[in-house]
Amino acid sequence: EAGVVQSPRYKIIEKKQPVAFWCNPISGHNTLYWYRQNLGQGPELLIRYENEEAVDDSQLPKDRFSAERLKGVDSTLKIQPAELGDSAVYLCASSSRRTEAFFGQGTRLTVV
Amino acid sequence: DQQVKQNSPSLSVQEGRISILNCDYTNSMFDYFLWYKKYPAEGPTFLISISSIKDKNEDGRFTVFLNKSAKHLSLHIVPSQPGDSAVYFCAASARGQGGSEKLVFGKGTKLTVNP
Repeated sequence: EAGVVQSPRYKIIEKKQPVAFWCNPISGHNTLYWYRQNLGQGPELLIRYENEEAVDDSQLPKDRFSAERLKGVDSTLKIQPAELGDSAVYLCASSSRRTEAFFGQGTRLTVV
Repeated sequence: DQQVKQNSPSLSVQEGRISILNCDYTNSMFDYFLWYKKYPAEGPTFLISISSIKDKNEDGRFTVFLNKSAKHLSLHIVPSQPGDSAVYFCAASARGQGGSEKLVFGKGTKLTVNP
C-alpha cells in the first residue's frame, strides 16, 4: 500500500515569492492534515480536512497561506508571499476514522 | 500554552537497557495518546497508542503507560537497540468534528542508544 506522498521534497525560494506544496493521501483516508514543523519543535497543525471540507483552519495564517482539497483527495498548500520565518518542514498526513495519522516525508522549505 | 509537554529534549541509554520517555499533558479532553518516531529527513511514523480507557498498552519491546490522574504518559523500550535512536514525539487528541481527531504534539525527545 502506498503511503502519503508529498512533493517536492525540498524547496528553496527567495522571500516574497510564492510556493506550493502537494500531497496525495493514502487511498480511502477521509481526513487530511497539514502540519508545520520548525527546527527543534513538534509538528503544529495548520489545517485539517474532512473530505473536501476544512474543519479546522484556526492555525492557518490566512493572510498568506491557502489550502485546498479538491474532490476530497489530493491537497495543495500555498504560501504567497513567503517570508523568512516560513522556513520549516511542511508535513502532510492522512487518517481514517479513529486510526492513527500516517505522515508523508515532508517538504523542507527554505526561504532566503 | 503547550498542551503536550516533553520536558526532556534528549536521552542517552546503553544498548540492552530500558529507555523511558515521558510526556505530560494539560487538556483533560484528550482521550487518545500516541507515540511517533522520527528519523532525520523522514516524516514521523506511528509507533504505539493508548486510549484513555486503558492504563497500559504493550507491543513487543514497546509499552506505553497512562496515568490519567497525573495527566502523564510514558513510553518504555526494553531492551533498547541502536536502531531505536530517533526523535520520539508524544501526541494527544480529543474527538473533533465528524469524529476525526486533531493531534497535538510535544516538542520531542531525542533518544540515543549507544552500542
